[in-house]
Amino acid sequence: DAMVIQNPRYQVTQFGKPVTLSCSQTLNHNVMYWYQQKSSQAPKLLFHYYDKDFNNEADTPDNFQSRRPNTSFCFLDIRSPGLGDAAMYLCAASSGRNIQYFGAGTRLSVL
Amino acid sequence: AQTVTQSQPEMSVQEAETVTLSCTYDTSESDYYLFWYKQPPSRQMILVIRQEAYKQQNATENRFSVNFQKAAKSFSLKISDSQLGDAAMYFCAYRTNRDDKIIFGKGTRLHILP
Repeated sequence: DAMVIQNPRYQVTQFGKPVTLSCSQTLNHNVMYWYQQKSSQAPKLLFHYYDKDFNNEADTPDNFQSRRPNTSFCFLDIRSPGLGDAAMYLCAASSGRNIQYFGAGTRLSVL
Repeated sequence: AQTVTQSQPEMSVQEAETVTLSCTYDTSESDYYLFWYKQPPSRQMILVIRQEAYKQQNATENRFSVNFQKAAKSFSLKISDSQLGDAAMYFCAYRTNRDDKIIFGKGTRLHILP
């Protein structure tokens, strides 16, 4: 059974058109993460939530925002996608400082 | 700053053979966790094995085992009886006990030759 679910699996957007990626978890874990992963590279952490506390990485562009309306859901908003934002976006959840469980990812294409 | 280094960008192994993936890390912490994650071509990252730094015994999960050398800051993954389904990108990762974030190495792409 899927524990971290990302929708959609594939997302196509236009240059500069806002896009939102969704993540939900059935684990009831208090920490959720968003990563950006480009081809054949390690995932790069964008930000994470510890409960409702938002933690942004210092090098995450302002173009990327996130919302966590409740424990189960977390959203990644890209306000004005550029060609360089085309990537796989991975969501993960963990219970405190424990194992991170990943979703299958959303592959974003920017035209 | 903590870093994780995987010196082998790609490796190949014959099916049914054994392969070892290397990982070294740098930290001044004494309490931390180490992980190996597998990311198959379908791209979902899954945990293969984890090791608590305070445990001297090497972790084992079926065909997967680690060689944890704390003094040398080395954490290699051994895959025995390699199977076609083991083909994937393998990431070594590190986390302190004081942080929610994990640090990934750059990954090793493992090919299984039939």
